[in-house]
Amino acid sequence: GIQVEQSPPDLILQEGANSTLRCNFSDSVNNLQWFHQNPWGQLINLFYIPSGTKQNGRLSATTVATERYSLLYISSSQTTDSGVYFCAVRLTFGEGTQLTVNP
Amino acid sequence: DTAVSQTPKYLVTQMGNDKSIKCEQNLGHDTMYWYKQDSKKFLKIMFSYNNKELIINETVPNRFSPKSPDKAHLNLHINSLELGDSAVYFCASSRTAGHLGFETQYFGPGTRLLVL
Repeated sequence: GIQVEQSPPDLILQEGANSTLRCNFSDSVNNLQWFHQNPWGQLINLFYIPSGTKQNGRLSATTVATERYSLLYISSSQTTDSGVYFCAVRLTFGEGTQLTVNP
Repeated sequence: DTAVSQTPKYLVTQMGNDKSIKCEQNLGHDTMYWYKQDSKKFLKIMFSYNNKELIINETVPNRFSPKSPDKAHLNLHINSLELGDSAVYFCASSRTAGHLGFETQYFGPGTRLLVL
């Protein structure tokens, strides 16, 4: 089956800092999503991005399907950005990046 | 207007019991899913239904039986619960199965199951 690897596994930031999360995958895709799981456990859809670049406020994502990776950018991080960020390719999830944003 | 809802939110039960979790979506989607998230936060697909038909059935003990009475509902019944079944179970839906490439998934709030 498809392999999905995320890095880094853990990330600690000060409020206001920028960060980049990476997702590598083993097969060609026509479906890639980024999710945020908040500290209350809710899984929130961030981007559906099988290729190209999308932006939503302080968040943006880029997928380079030919090179089998996707990046999630968080700018001017806030404490509410804390949680786990998952990349999912079709129905396979990566192990997530645990992000902690300190005030 | 909750798009994907699950009941109950919490379930505490004894080993050996049988329990059900219900899921409903009001998005008009054709495809629904069950995922299991373990204590290390690994999310793993269990089942998927498209228009009430089972299309994905991962390696899951046959104590787990999904049922889809209609496109808007996907329930999960678990027989003879074991300690290892303790986890958070998420229901999700997508507009279609996208010819099995699947489409944007929307998740319910999860059901936290604790087996004692």
